[in-house]
Amino acid sequence: SYELTQPPSVSVSPGQTARITCSGDALPKQSAYWYQQKSGQAPVLVIYKDTERPSGIPERFSGSSSGTTVTLTISGVQAEDEADYYCQSADTSATYYVFGTGTKVTVL
Amino acid sequence: QVQLVQSGAEVKKPGASVKVSCKASGYTFIGYYIHWVRQAPGQGLEWMGWINPNSGGTNYAQKFQGWVTMTRDTSISTAYMELSRLRSDDTAVYYCARDQRPYDILTGLYKYYGMDVWGQGTTVTVSS
Repeated sequence: SYELTQPPSVSVSPGQTARITCSGDALPKQSAYWYQQKSGQAPVLVIYKDTERPSGIPERFSGSSSGTTVTLTISGVQAEDEADYYCQSADTSATYYVFGTGTKVTVL
Repeated sequence: QVQLVQSGAEVKKPGASVKVSCKASGYTFIGYYIHWVRQAPGQGLEWMGWINPNSGGTNYAQKFQGWVTMTRDTSISTAYMELSRLRSDDTAVYYCARDQRPYDILTGLYKYYGMDVWGQGTTVTVSS
C-alpha cells in the first residue's frame, strides 16, 4: 500500500522557522494536504492543493512541492503552533487517500 | 454554522459491530462528500473511505474493504459508518469530515480539496 513518510519530530524556538517534510512516490502527480492536530482535538486543514491556505489560517503557514517531497513551513513559530502535523495525499490512481506518519512539532 | 455532530462513545466486545452516526447541519448535505478517519490511541490518522451523500456511492480504503459499510440518510442529513467483526485493535477515535468544496452534482465530477469540517470524534472501545 502507498505510504507517506514524515520525520517523527521537529523542534523549533519561538520566532524561528519550522519545516516539515513529507515524501511519497506519487507526490509529483498528486496534490498534498496538511493538517494540524492539537492534543485531544480534531484535525484542522492548514494547507490544501500543495500551497493553498484555507480562510482563517495564518499567513505563517505555507506549503511547497518539489518532486517526491512536499514541505510545510511555519514561519515565525508561535507557542500555539505546537501540535502534530500530518500530510495527506492520494495514490497514483487518485483512488485512495493516505495520511503521512505524522510529525510532532515542539516549540522550545 | 457548518458542523458535524457525531454519536456518543461506544464499548463493544470483540466480534461485534458498531455503527457511528454523523449529523450535518448548516450546509447542503448532498453537495459535499463525507470522509471517515480513525485514530488509535497514541497513533496517527488513518483514512477509511468516503461516501457521496447524493448517490450513496462509496470508496473504501483497501484495508477496510469487506468489513466497513458507509451509508447515509438524506432525510435527516446524517452519514453512518459501520464496522463489523471488531477486534481490540479497532479501538480508536472515529471522525467524520466534510470535503472543503462541493462536488459537481450535475456532472458527477469529484475533485478533492481536503477536509475542512470535522466531527468531534467518537471513541470506540473494543474489549472483552
